[in-house]
Amino acid sequence: GESVGLHLPTLSVQEGDNSIINCAYSNSASDYFIWYKQESGKGPQFIIDIRSNMDKRQGQRVTVLLNKTVKHLSLQIAATQPGDSAVYFCAEREGNTPLVFGKGTRLSVIA
Amino acid sequence: EAQVTQNPRYLITVTGKKLTVTCSQNMNHEYMSWYRQDPGLGLRQIYYSMNVEVTDKGDVPEGYKVSRKEKRNFPLILESPSPNQTSLYFCASSFSHNTDTQYFGPGTRLTVL
Repeated sequence: GESVGLHLPTLSVQEGDNSIINCAYSNSASDYFIWYKQESGKGPQFIIDIRSNMDKRQGQRVTVLLNKTVKHLSLQIAATQPGDSAVYFCAEREGNTPLVFGKGTRLSVIA
Repeated sequence: EAQVTQNPRYLITVTGKKLTVTCSQNMNHEYMSWYRQDPGLGLRQIYYSMNVEVTDKGDVPEGYKVSRKEKRNFPLILESPSPNQTSLYFCASSFSHNTDTQYFGPGTRLTVL
C-alpha cells in the first residue's frame, strides 16, 4: 500500500478537471505499452494499452498517447473523479520479453 | 469470480525461517509471474513460468525459488529469508507470456526481522 507511494512524483488535480500523467521510456525497440492503476492496498489493475503502430488510443474516460520520436507515453483522464486517486505507472515491452515497469506517479484528486 | 489469490496477505518473520507465499489463479492462465515492489524501484520481476513445469528467472531471482507443478498454483519460496527481502510481493497471471493483460493478486506484505 502506502509505502509503495513514498518518493513518487505526485500530481494533484481538482475534481472534474482533466489529468495528464507522463512516462518516459528508454528502449526505442519497445513495441507494446500498458498503463496500470494501483490503489492503496491493492494490486495493479490494467487500464489501457497501445502498440507501437499507433499513436493514440481511447478508452472510457482515458486516452493514451504515444510519441515514439521522444520515447514518451502519456495517460489522459477526463473529468477526474475521487476514485481515480491512485498510483499510475506505465510498462513497456519489446517483442516477447517481460514487461518493464516504470516507478509510477501518484494522482491525488482534490474534491 | 476470475481472480488471483495470494496467501498470506501479511507476514512478519525472522531471518532464516523458511516461508512460502502461495499464489493461485482460476482463469486457466498459462503464464504466471512473481514481482516485488519497493519504494523508488517499482515492480521488479523475480521469477516467471510460461507453463506447468517451466520456470525462469526474472530480474531479481536471488534468494527465491518457485515451482509450477499445476497450472493454477505458483508458490514463491524463501528458503532463508533476509531483511533485504522485506517487500511487497505480487503474483500475476495471463493467458500467455505475451498476452496484453496481466491480472495481479492483492499483494503480500512481508517483513523479515
